[in-house]
Amino acid sequence: EDQVTQSPEALRLQEGESSSLNCSYTVSGLRGLFWYRQDPGKGPEFLFTLYSAGEEKEKERLKATLTKKESFLHITAPKPEDSATYLCAAYTGRRALTFGSGTRLQVQP
Amino acid sequence: DSGVTQTPKHLITATGQRVTLRCSPRSGDLSVYWYQQSLDQGLQFLIQYYNGEERAKGNILERFSAQQFPDLHSELNLSSLELGDSALYFCASSVAGGGGPSLNEQYFGPGTRLTVT
Repeated sequence: EDQVTQSPEALRLQEGESSSLNCSYTVSGLRGLFWYRQDPGKGPEFLFTLYSAGEEKEKERLKATLTKKESFLHITAPKPEDSATYLCAAYTGRRALTFGSGTRLQVQP
Repeated sequence: DSGVTQTPKHLITATGQRVTLRCSPRSGDLSVYWYQQSLDQGLQFLIQYYNGEERAKGNILERFSAQQFPDLHSELNLSSLELGDSALYFCASSVAGGGGPSLNEQYFGPGTRLTVT
């Protein structure tokens, strides 16, 4: 059975304190790894698609990377507005996405 | 704004009742997905439709049903509601229902918050 595990469950950072979120996956035949951001009470917002190991994508203070077993979302010099839950999801083409349970990020000023 | 619309935004109803949630996908998207998210829980995939046909089924209860219409909008019907059905219900859409990852990037609507009292 496909599984996606995110760690840590929650992370509190000071403004400017860089860190990384982890998404490890056990799926057969990964074809894409998606990252989303979700604000409380709102729908997830699409951030990135990573297609193969070694690929990197960047958007403002966020950089996503992918290996054969996991993906990282690096947050450089975060600001309070980066506070949200970050979700990753694995796509194999066989069925709908398999989502992780998310990392709740809080950035304090 | 993802381009996916959902109505209503909020719904309050009593146990045992039946409700219908509506979703309009982004222009050009053929797949619609429904998810349930309870308080502090992750996204639970319910069901996917592609171009009017059911494509994949997740953890959808028998009391729940969905359909996608010729104009591609979708409705999720929830019946015999229980207190535990209180949750956020999200609809997402994508261009395709399989194939390359870029065609299956899902874009989410703002959600319908259902409260069962």
